[in-house]
Amino acid sequence: NAGVTQTPKFRVLKTGQSMTLLCAQDMNHEYMYWYRQDPGMGLRLIHYSVGEGTTAKGEVPDGYNVSRLKKQNFLLGLESAAPSQTSVYFCASSYSGGLAGDRDTQYFGPGTRLTVL
Amino acid sequence: DQQVKQNSPSLSVQEGRISILNCDYTNSMFDYFLWYKKYPAEGPTFLISISSIKDKNEDGRFTVFLNKSAKHLSLHIVPSQPGDSAVYFCAATRMFQGAQKLVFGQGTRLTINP
Repeated sequence: NAGVTQTPKFRVLKTGQSMTLLCAQDMNHEYMYWYRQDPGMGLRLIHYSVGEGTTAKGEVPDGYNVSRLKKQNFLLGLESAAPSQTSVYFCASSYSGGLAGDRDTQYFGPGTRLTVL
Repeated sequence: DQQVKQNSPSLSVQEGRISILNCDYTNSMFDYFLWYKKYPAEGPTFLISISSIKDKNEDGRFTVFLNKSAKHLSLHIVPSQPGDSAVYFCAATRMFQGAQKLVFGQGTRLTINP
């Protein structure tokens, strides 16, 4: 049981390049999330998904796209990378969105450190 | 607009003493609060939580206190141990459009000195 895994761990891009970050979870969770962490800013929600085939915008969605074609995977895409997207990206998943009455814990992956030059 | 604030970027405490981490929030719609702990090169891990209908929740060495009137919560760790050295994030949440939205504070780096 690996929990939440993220690929790659590190990446350096040039401005304008594109890339996809992969998140995978093996806990059969319905909900998945992408966050970015910047110094002094905490973690901010980029996009999230409440189930296979669904996606929704979070707090800072501009410049990113996501897809959830399979329940266990959540992809974050940068079509044209900008220096402002230099950050550490975290994926998380949870069993539900809290609809069961209990506030469901979000489990986080180890992060991807992205640098855009 | 920073809805969840941790005003202390860092805190240093002697081993065996109490560590107190503070967090303030501005949005009265938040109804559930969490603390996450983060080690370097790892993702945040859930530590403890509290519902807005309570004012205290305890789990072993960790206790979270909530003061709704002041929009303030705190995490107490007693006794502090070297393994507690990490960055601690406060988070607040409410249900929005079918999902639990977490809003994080900036984090406080806790260092436990031997």
